[in-house]
Amino acid sequence: DTGVSQDPRHKITKRGQNVTFRCDPISEHNRLYWYRQTLGQGPEFLTYFQNEAQLEKSRLLSDRFSAERPKGSFSTLEIQRTEQGDSAMYLCASSFLGYEQFFGPGTRLTVL
Amino acid sequence: RKEVEQDPGPFNVPEGATVAFNCTYSNSASQSFFWYRQDCRKEPKLLMSVYSSGNEDGRFTAQLNRASQYISLLIRDSKLSDSATYLCVVTHSGGYQKVTFGTGTKLQVIP
Repeated sequence: DTGVSQDPRHKITKRGQNVTFRCDPISEHNRLYWYRQTLGQGPEFLTYFQNEAQLEKSRLLSDRFSAERPKGSFSTLEIQRTEQGDSAMYLCASSFLGYEQFFGPGTRLTVL
Repeated sequence: RKEVEQDPGPFNVPEGATVAFNCTYSNSASQSFFWYRQDCRKEPKLLMSVYSSGNEDGRFTAQLNRASQYISLLIRDSKLSDSATYLCVVTHSGGYQKVTFGTGTKLQVIP
């Protein structure tokens, strides 16, 4: 499968715990994006990377959120001290430069 | 005003009908436009890019109106399998790329 993959697909955690998600983009894509989506809303942009450089961060990305893409390939999104409001689907997408984005299946986070 | 606005619907249409969605955007410097389709509890999938001259892919036609700052999606001969949420995406580069999704328009095609 040469599409975007995300791991895990589902994560249930208790409030206050830290969680980390992984995204593996399509191999020839140099841009990688993270989004958050809640029910009935479109995906909300969080951040994006071009190669290993994080170029843009949304104001939605509070200090508890951090993303990395250390070698310009896979990326991780970490949420520290999770809150119930963090419950959402976290989507990763990749593209070649600013062309069409292709999405992974998402990680559904539930914070109890 | 939201950067990208869509009528959330739902649009309930019979099989075989033609249906059209609009999406308005507020930033006149927006450069690229896309329509994505999202099925319930699945990831968005690219439906089509929207070019300045308009483009067609089978039963789907996308148009861009820069003067009025909206894009449209027309679906002809609706199929039951077209039932989904259709997301409008607008990008622009103010230094770095900014990508904004609309909240989506829900389409339900009924037999």
